[in-house]
Amino acid sequence: AQSVTQPDIHITVSEGASLELRCNYSYGATPYLFWYVQSPGQGLQLLLKYFSGDTLVQGIKGFEAEFKRSQSSFNLRKPSVHWSDAAEYFCAVGAWGYNKLIFGAGTRLAVHP
Amino acid sequence: EAGVAQSPRYKIIEKRQSVAFWCNPISGHATLYWYQQILGQGPKLLIQFQNNGVVDDSQLPKDRFSAERLKGVDSTLKIQPAKLEDSAVYLCASSSSGTDNSPLHFGNGTRLTVT
Repeated sequence: AQSVTQPDIHITVSEGASLELRCNYSYGATPYLFWYVQSPGQGLQLLLKYFSGDTLVQGIKGFEAEFKRSQSSFNLRKPSVHWSDAAEYFCAVGAWGYNKLIFGAGTRLAVHP
Repeated sequence: EAGVAQSPRYKIIEKRQSVAFWCNPISGHATLYWYQQILGQGPKLLIQFQNNGVVDDSQLPKDRFSAERLKGVDSTLKIQPAKLEDSAVYLCASSSSGTDNSPLHFGNGTRLTVT
């Protein structure tokens, strides 16, 4: 069955520290992977996506993610977190040519000053 | 460009009542989606429209939920009668196409509380 697992429900980091949010997927075909961010009371905003090619993809707001097929993972990283990064982060998987996305349960990020 | 507009932002109803949500997608976007986001979970697709036709409604509880997209632009999602477990945020999204992995643009959602 197709699924996305985000093992960490809640993560707290200090401002300026590095960040890694984990995402594991289960998908029968070649996966197309996405990270979205949701601030309180807002809709979801696309951070980055991976379709093919270089397994390290760059996104907006200084985020990057690395696709590792052998580990079925697509972890999100940021070298230095800002207080404004506090939000909920969702990993999602889809199939090429179809925009139907399966979302993980999300990781809520808190940033301490 | 103007984003995806949704209304109302909040709605509180009693169980067995009916409720309707409205969505206006980004101009020119052919594909429209309704997602349900229950607290503590990721969004789950309820229905996908391509223009005014339904592409996927496999996860829509059709005994109580209905949706339409007249003229291929605005869309309404209705619940009748509502149950306690329908309490969630209902997100509308649109994309330029449903078959090219173009980005989904989400509205701010409607938070429904069923008491």
